[in-house]
Amino acid sequence: GAVVSQHPSWVICKSGTSVKIECRSLDFQATTMFWYRQFPKQSLMLMATSNEGSKATYEQGVEKDKFLINHASLTLSTLTVTSAHPEDSSFYICSAREGPSGSARQYFGPGTRLTVT
Amino acid sequence: GQNIDQPTEMTATEGAIVQINCTYQTSGFNGLFWYQQHAGEAPTFLSYNVLDGLEEKGRFSSFLSRSKGYSYLLLKELQMKDSASYLCAVKDSNYQLIWGAGTKLIIKP
Repeated sequence: GAVVSQHPSWVICKSGTSVKIECRSLDFQATTMFWYRQFPKQSLMLMATSNEGSKATYEQGVEKDKFLINHASLTLSTLTVTSAHPEDSSFYICSAREGPSGSARQYFGPGTRLTVT
Repeated sequence: GQNIDQPTEMTATEGAIVQINCTYQTSGFNGLFWYQQHAGEAPTFLSYNVLDGLEEKGRFSSFLSRSKGYSYLLLKELQMKDSASYLCAVKDSNYQLIWGAGTKLIIKP
């Protein structure tokens, strides 16, 4: 089946610094990628949807200037958490959809655990 | 608004059967998904239902009733490794996945 990778799998950074997380679709072209955040014991929260070559669509309450998303190619999307704070510590998961159809299945990456000290 | 309800936590015994229910109220329906998520890991796909009825896949089965806005995931011959959270998600009219909060399943020997 389709594989989505994320890098890094975990990262610790100091408050005020920026962190970039990469999401790659390894064996398919992902027209659409999704970024989720998950706090302990809570469900997935969609942060933004990005289509290759266009600006990401952010969910209500998600600061687009703080969470920068770039989807420059059909196999790579990046999420940059700028000026990170301890409350940004969370599990970040990307998901990729194969093809433009909304009915296509989403494949999840393994997640990135971010800890801001 | 859109809403997906599932029990917060369930406990079952190794070797037994457990049914995890999910009810949904969404703007449109384009399929229902069940995912398994172990602690600290990303969700993994279990099943997909878009038509009414039962879909069986090994020890796992998933049922859907669109008229009732209801689904269940049935796990048979429970194993300790089945201890995880089980997430119900529905694709709405915009093909966006709406997620339930997940059901934490605890398996006891």
